[in-house]
Amino acid sequence: DAGVTQSPTHLIKTRGQQVTLRCSPKSGHDTVSWYQQALGQGPQFIFQYYEEEERQRGNFPDRFSGHQFPNYSSELNVNALLLGDSALYLCASSLRDHLRKNIQYFGAGTRLSVL
Amino acid sequence: AQTVTQSQPEMSVQEAETVTLSCTYDTSESDYYLFWYKQPPSRQMILVIRQEAYKQQNATENRFSVNFQKAAKSFSLKISDSQLGDAAMYFCAYRGSNTGNQFYFGTGTSLTVIP
Repeated sequence: DAGVTQSPTHLIKTRGQQVTLRCSPKSGHDTVSWYQQALGQGPQFIFQYYEEEERQRGNFPDRFSGHQFPNYSSELNVNALLLGDSALYLCASSLRDHLRKNIQYFGAGTRLSVL
Repeated sequence: AQTVTQSQPEMSVQEAETVTLSCTYDTSESDYYLFWYKQPPSRQMILVIRQEAYKQQNATENRFSVNFQKAAKSFSLKISDSQLGDAAMYFCAYRGSNTGNQFYFGTGTSLTVIP
């Protein structure tokens, strides 16, 4: 049973470019959350997707957008990259019915470097 | 907004000894959930232990236990019989019952285990 998988593992972009990160949830999970973890900081919630819609959003600008596909996988898109967007981006998946039990699994993340 | 504070950026412990990691949080909610996550160099966040605020009994998972002081808004993690594999970043996290599914993380404590 594969856990949460994220791709790519590492990514290098330049300022102003756009990037797409991908996440496949754990088998059977239908809800995906994205987090940004800057160096030396804890993860910060970006947004959550369920039933192909953004259900909740943290304090991030519109440059950050996402998508969830019918197979529950998800993409995180960041436009007009800034140096400050350099971070580890974590995906977490859960089963909607289990959110009350706070059962959430994390992937190993994508390390994004913006030069 | 909810905030989670970890005042110990770094901690060290001798192998087989006991160490306590501190966490405080700020919230106006009465019903919420608290967590400790471990993030090894592999970057994948792993749930160590969780506590429901309405439960007075402190959670325990094998060598890991918490000291939950609701009035003081304190949630410390005790690791007994420390092992080399316990070396990692430890994050305290909060999820409110009225703030959707957003998790709030502290800035982390880096734990070193000395052989």
